[in-house]
Amino acid sequence: EAGVAQSPRYKIIEKRQSVAFWCNPISGHATLYWYQQILGQGPKLLIQFQNNGVVDDSQLPKDRFSAERLKGVDSTLKIQPAKLEDSAVYLCASSPPGSGAETQYFGPGTRLLVL
Amino acid sequence: RKEVEQDPGPFNVPEGATVAFNCTYSNSASQSFFWYRQDCRKEPKLLMSVYSSGNEDGRFTAQLNRASQYISLLIRDSKLSDSATYLCVVKIPGAGSYQLTFGKGTKLSVIP
Repeated sequence: EAGVAQSPRYKIIEKRQSVAFWCNPISGHATLYWYQQILGQGPKLLIQFQNNGVVDDSQLPKDRFSAERLKGVDSTLKIQPAKLEDSAVYLCASSPPGSGAETQYFGPGTRLLVL
Repeated sequence: RKEVEQDPGPFNVPEGATVAFNCTYSNSASQSFFWYRQDCRKEPKLLMSVYSSGNEDGRFTAQLNRASQYISLLIRDSKLSDSATYLCVVKIPGAGSYQLTFGKGTKLSVIP
């Protein structure tokens, strides 16, 4: 079974530029999560989707971050404009129906460096 | 107070040693508890769930004390391949649903 796919794997941008990350969850997984993991920290939930609807975006900095999951499959996370403190690994995860967030499979992440 | 607190380490132990990690959580409404493992520059992966009765998976034993809001992980007979960061994870009620909250992780290095 294919795992969660993410691209790009690495991205270097200058502050105030825009960047977008893409995630393809495991087939059949209705719930999709985006996490931000700053070096030395644990992953922090940014947004959770159930199919194509947002369940929880309370920790998403909405002045610069946006995310969408059109058609309830792939998702994109965008940062515009980026700040130095956005340097982190952005992890996408998905979970199967009925697992109640307990079983999450993570993708390899996108490592972002903002200069 | 942070939702999930862990000693960041690092713990440097020789092969064959027994090592224990501890974790405390602040939300008394926490539903479920887990230990995840994260290798350097890799994604987190579920190591094991943690139950009130305690549970064991080979060399790994996890314990939960709900009254003290305390979780532990014991690794016996450490192997070089156990070197990783161990994340304490708690499932808590979120804004719209339950969500996983991660500790900062405890780094373990097993030395030959």
